[in-house]
Amino acid sequence: EVKLVESGGRLVQPGRSLRLSCVASGFTFENYAMHWVRQAPGKGLEWVSGVSWNSGNIAYVESVKGRFTISRDNAKNSLYLQMDSLRVDDTAVYYCAKPAQARPGSFDHWGQGTLVTVSS
Amino acid sequence: DIQMTQSPSSLSASVGDTVTITCRASQSISSNLNWYQQKPGKAPNLLMYGAFILQSGVPSRFSGSDYGTDFTLTINSLQPEDFATYYCQQSYSTPYNFGQGTKLEIK
Repeated sequence: EVKLVESGGRLVQPGRSLRLSCVASGFTFENYAMHWVRQAPGKGLEWVSGVSWNSGNIAYVESVKGRFTISRDNAKNSLYLQMDSLRVDDTAVYYCAKPAQARPGSFDHWGQGTLVTVSS
Repeated sequence: DIQMTQSPSSLSASVGDTVTITCRASQSISSNLNWYQQKPGKAPNLLMYGAFILQSGVPSRFSGSDYGTDFTLTINSLQPEDFATYYCQQSYSTPYNFGQGTKLEIK
């Protein structure tokens, strides 16, 4: 059974940093790109960032470029999101998402999400 | 970036009804269109990919159509568990943008 478990979300002040983690199990993690998707309270879904299986290709949504850094450790079956210079509008539930096989941007498994609240 | 415009933003229907949700891409995405269902407090669930290919385990009352840059999700014979929010998403190129969502409510 595929399982994605996020952690690291909490209340943080604007301008501060936070690191999210996602531990994967139930599939061969190193074979898949991985992604972060977020959802602000009461709002829709927003793709945030993705990293290829070997970290050779990385992409971000424009609003987080230069502030967020995605990374992965295949030996630990883990995905990370380093979030710097946090803003109030980064407040959201952050989901880790796995793409379906041979469908790079179609997310067939999601974690339960971790809530990041940016507020003074 | 490819923008996804979804309509309507909300929809009221009754059990047994048939409803259709529309999603328009701002440019060609070559059928790289996904549909998700999300219930309150839960992560999204992939319903369909490739515009009309049902994800394993998804009931056949869900169907999708591809009209170039316009896509539809149709739910036939609505069941109580279908009342949720639905999102389209393009997976042609990053950023993998989602539509704004359609909240399907019980009339």
